[in-house]
Amino acid sequence: ETGVTQTPRHLVMGMTNKKSLKCEQHLGHNAMYWYKQSAKKPLELMFVYSLEERVENNSVPSRFSPECPNSSHLFLHLHTLQPEDSALYLCASSQDLPGGTDTQYFGPGTRLTVL
Amino acid sequence: QKEVEQDPGPLSVPEGAIVSLNCTYSNSAFQYFMWYRQYSRKGPELLMYTYSSGNKEDGRFTAQVDKSSKYISLFIRDSQPSDSATYLCAMLYNQGGKLIFGQGTELSVKP
Repeated sequence: ETGVTQTPRHLVMGMTNKKSLKCEQHLGHNAMYWYKQSAKKPLELMFVYSLEERVENNSVPSRFSPECPNSSHLFLHLHTLQPEDSALYLCASSQDLPGGTDTQYFGPGTRLTVL
Repeated sequence: QKEVEQDPGPLSVPEGAIVSLNCTYSNSAFQYFMWYRQYSRKGPELLMYTYSSGNKEDGRFTAQVDKSSKYISLFIRDSQPSDSATYLCAMLYNQGGKLIFGQGTELSVKP
């Protein structure tokens, strides 16, 4: 295990539902990330938090809303999603500020299906 | 044009074969190059990291960077069924930037 856990591992939701993805890191890291992984596409960085402050938001639609209440926890709140939002959502953390050569440790992901 | 191009495969090889995985990139400003391995139903894990040009070896794995050709490779010697996974290349312009990933190559090593 990498020390980064994600729940739930699988989620099926309708377009009108509201749900949340949870990520927890047990590594004492200061930076946390949300990525989207779609089939046959590169990982897309969605959000970056450093010391609980959002430092990057990569033009992500407002139907995705991140929350970082402390340096160990990261949430992704979902509402009125579209079928094309179906993907694997990965959380990652790293020791220092985002970027650089600091290793990012990934969680196992949440497989999201939007009906 | 994509910043990083990677053949998605799938690539199937017999056990013991030498595997070559490759990525090309368009921006010569990339300085840091990484390979991640992703097993099914798992997140990616860092396998190899290289700064600038040259080779780096770690056990059965060798990472190679050719900045003049904008081309990076990962070689796996004596491949094992446990090497079956998706391999993702990733690159950074500089420290403080964000990782740019290739789309990943799915590798299957048959016993």
